[in-house]
Amino acid sequence: EAGVAQSPRYKIIEKRQSVAFWCNPISGHATLYWYQQILGQGPKLLIQFQNNGVVDDSQLPKDRFSAERLKGVDSTLKIQPAKLEDSAVYLCASVRAGGSDTQYFGPGTRLTVL
Amino acid sequence: AQSVAQPEDQVNVAEGNPLTVKCTYSVSGNPYLFWYVQYPNRGLQFLLKYITGDNLVKGSYGFEAEFNKSQTSFHLKKPSALVSDSALYFCAVTHNYGQNFVFGPGTRLSVLP
Repeated sequence: EAGVAQSPRYKIIEKRQSVAFWCNPISGHATLYWYQQILGQGPKLLIQFQNNGVVDDSQLPKDRFSAERLKGVDSTLKIQPAKLEDSAVYLCASVRAGGSDTQYFGPGTRLTVL
Repeated sequence: AQSVAQPEDQVNVAEGNPLTVKCTYSVSGNPYLFWYVQYPNRGLQFLLKYITGDNLVKGSYGFEAEFNKSQTSFHLKKPSALVSDSALYFCAVTHNYGQNFVFGPGTRLSVLP
């Protein structure tokens, strides 16, 4: 079974630029999460999708961050415009169904904002 | 709102000795509790989880954790540590079918040969 795929693995941009990350979850997994992990901290949930609907986006900075999951499969997370404090690893995870299921994480995208 | 505390930033233990990584949580209702491990430059890997049932949960690589409802704790343990166990360990909690999933700040485990 293929794991969660993410791209790109690394991205360097200047502040005020835009950036997008892509995630392909494990086949058949209905739930998809995006997390932000700042160096030295635990992952912080940004948004949770159930199929193509948003379940929780309470911690997503909606003035600059957006995410979508078209057709309930792949997902993209966008930052526009980026700030220095957005430098972090962005993790995608998927779950077969509900909250008691194990989350499977992708390798992450390391974003550096200069 | 849910929260997770991992009171130790760093835990050092000698190889072959038992290890404990502490976790306490706060949640409304019944918790779902998880432990994940993160090796350098790699994604998070699942170790074990408590959903319901037996308070002692066994997981991957010889790790286990004990759910203590009265103390709201879910400490990770291993009887005999290996150098290869050195990594960053995260405790996490959720409820209500996975909404509001919260990770702790992490504990760095160093196993010394």
